[in-house]
Amino acid sequence: AQTVTQSQPEMSVQEAETVTLSCTYDTSESDYYLFWYKQPPSRQMILVIRQEAYKQQNATENRFSVNFQKAAKSFSLKISDSQLGDAAMYFCASSPLTQGGSEKLVFGKGTKLTVNP
Amino acid sequence: KAGVTQTPRYLIKTRGQQVTLSCSPISGHRSVSWYQQTPGQGLQFLFEYFSETQRNKGNFPGRFSGRQFSNSRSEMNVSTLELGDSALYLCASSGRSSYNSPLHFGNGTRLTVT
Repeated sequence: AQTVTQSQPEMSVQEAETVTLSCTYDTSESDYYLFWYKQPPSRQMILVIRQEAYKQQNATENRFSVNFQKAAKSFSLKISDSQLGDAAMYFCASSPLTQGGSEKLVFGKGTKLTVNP
Repeated sequence: KAGVTQTPRYLIKTRGQQVTLSCSPISGHRSVSWYQQTPGQGLQFLFEYFSETQRNKGNFPGRFSGRQFSNSRSEMNVSTLELGDSALYLCASSGRSSYNSPLHFGNGTRLTVT
């Protein structure tokens, strides 16, 4: 069974500053994916970034990057140069690595990010 | 390309009734999965369909069911509604063209049970 834990229910950051959201997970799978999703008030879940667990290099997507520590089962998200549009709920999620198999994601409880102007 | 479309956006039902929610995936996507989102339990996986076959099911009672049609559109049904079924129901589709194709989510259906 997989579990995902986000220990920060809420975080805030000043516009243009950097913020890091924490996530830890537990899985018995040997290969898996990790994801960060963003959910703004519009309710639509938007994929921010994903990491294949077998890759040691941390994934980056523009201002978003992760710090993946496989041994510690930690997967934090760093947002650089925060913008007002980054304000949202952020969910960490994991999924077993499958080829055309189940798309089942296990989500954490989320972190509400506020960006202050 | 149109995104994932869920209808209706809002729904109010009373206890004991049943409800059907609809999801139209992105054109060409054959995998559709459903999630329930509540403040207390967070996001929980309901089930996943691929080519009209249920591939995986979450830990929900039998009152929750779903199906997928030949055009990949999916419906989920909840019978004998309970107050605890009040939630945001999210549908997601993926193309399955590679390992763990990214999920594309719809805006959800907000179900309120009174």
